[in-house]
Amino acid sequence: QLQLQESGPGLVKPSETLSLTCTVSGGSISSSSYYWGWIRQPPGKGLEWIGSIYYSGSTYYNPSLKSRVTISVDTSKNQFSLKLSSVTAADTAVYYCARHGSGGGYPLPNWFDPWGQGTLVTVSS
Amino acid sequence: EIVMTQSPATLSVSPGERATLSCRASQSVSSNLAWYQQKPGQAPRLLIYGASTRATGIPARFSGSGSGTEFTLTISSLQSEDFAVYYCQQYNNWPRAFGQGTKLEIK
Repeated sequence: QLQLQESGPGLVKPSETLSLTCTVSGGSISSSSYYWGWIRQPPGKGLEWIGSIYYSGSTYYNPSLKSRVTISVDTSKNQFSLKLSSVTAADTAVYYCARHGSGGGYPLPNWFDPWGQGTLVTVSS
Repeated sequence: EIVMTQSPATLSVSPGERATLSCRASQSVSSNLAWYQQKPGQAPRLLIYGASTRATGIPARFSGSGSGTEFTLTISSLQSEDFAVYYCQQYNNWPRAFGQGTKLEIK
């Protein structure tokens, strides 16, 4: 059973860079059929897609965050990572990682399933 | 950029009754729409993809319909575990986008 687990600091200072890692277990991140994505949810609010990456390094980013976001992949560790620079209080959220795609042999980044449990990142001095 | 709008924001329904949740896209997304359920303190769970196909393990009381810009999630007979927040998500265009959610609460 595929599982994803987010990890990283729970507190980041304003103007600094938020860094999170998602570790995938029970399956290979190098699968040719899937992208891997990051989604966030501010407290009490809705979901916002941040970006997604293929094992080859190909990425898609949300234009609203693109100037501050970098997503990378480490296939040797079965992990992918998120960096969000110049954070403000508005970046306080639960950050989720998820498999992005439907399988079937061709990488179509459509829906998200499964998701990690999420990790709360607070931006505060 | 496609904007997804869900209605109502909150829906109060009694257990055993039917719930109907709506999702509207600002432009056509064909049938490229998914629904998720999120309970407090938990990650979202995929319910429906392709507008009407239930994900693995999802009970038959959950059904999805629609295409183009208008979509509906119906829960035929509400169980206690169904009271949660529901989100739609389009995957026809970039950026992928979610609706703001509908909270389904016990009446």
